[in-house]
Amino acid sequence: GNSVTQMEGPVTLSEEAFLTINCTYTATGYPSLFWYVQYPGEGLQLLLKATKADDKGSNKGFEATYRKETTSFHLEKGSVQVSDSAVYFCALSSWYGGATNKLIFGTGTLLAVQP
Amino acid sequence: DAGVIQSPRHEVTEMGQEVTLRCKPISGHDYLFWYRQTMMRGLELLIYFNNNVPIDDSGMPEDRFSAKMPNASFSTLKIQPSEPRDSAVYFCASSLTRPSYEQYFGPGTRLTVT
Repeated sequence: GNSVTQMEGPVTLSEEAFLTINCTYTATGYPSLFWYVQYPGEGLQLLLKATKADDKGSNKGFEATYRKETTSFHLEKGSVQVSDSAVYFCALSSWYGGATNKLIFGTGTLLAVQP
Repeated sequence: DAGVIQSPRHEVTEMGQEVTLRCKPISGHDYLFWYRQTMMRGLELLIYFNNNVPIDDSGMPEDRFSAKMPNASFSTLKIQPSEPRDSAVYFCASSLTRPSYEQYFGPGTRLTVT
């Protein structure tokens, strides 16, 4: 079945450090891939998405490239800020054989950025 | 546009009481999702609706949980009777056309059952 695996947290970085959060997936059909972010006390917000292989999603300095050959969608940012501290969720959704699938979330990775 | 609206934002109740959580999806969205988030189990999909019809309720934990969507602009999640292990943050989300499109989440209802 469809699944998402993302790196365990917490990830603790200093301000302006480079960020990578790994995400790999297993899916049938043609998945779309997403990164959501959850700030403390809030609901999840879509950060970026990619709908086909080799697409790059980007938003707010974050990027992720849909790699079908490695079934990965790693999240990166060149210089993190304290305000990026949040929980990040990788997710996939797949349309296969005309049947809709649920949005499958990873377990989330807590990012803590220190000044 | 207003986002997904949930009420109440916080609910504290005693074990055995009935709890009703409410959600207003984004206007025009035809999918609605209910999730539960806890530290132990993470984010769990409970049920989702398409055009007000329940499509998949396999995530509903027990018969104590029920969800309805009487019209396109309103849904409820009810727990009767509530138990301490139901304490969690419950999120409602909506999306357009297909569930493979991005979902928009509400701010959540934090439920505490004592």
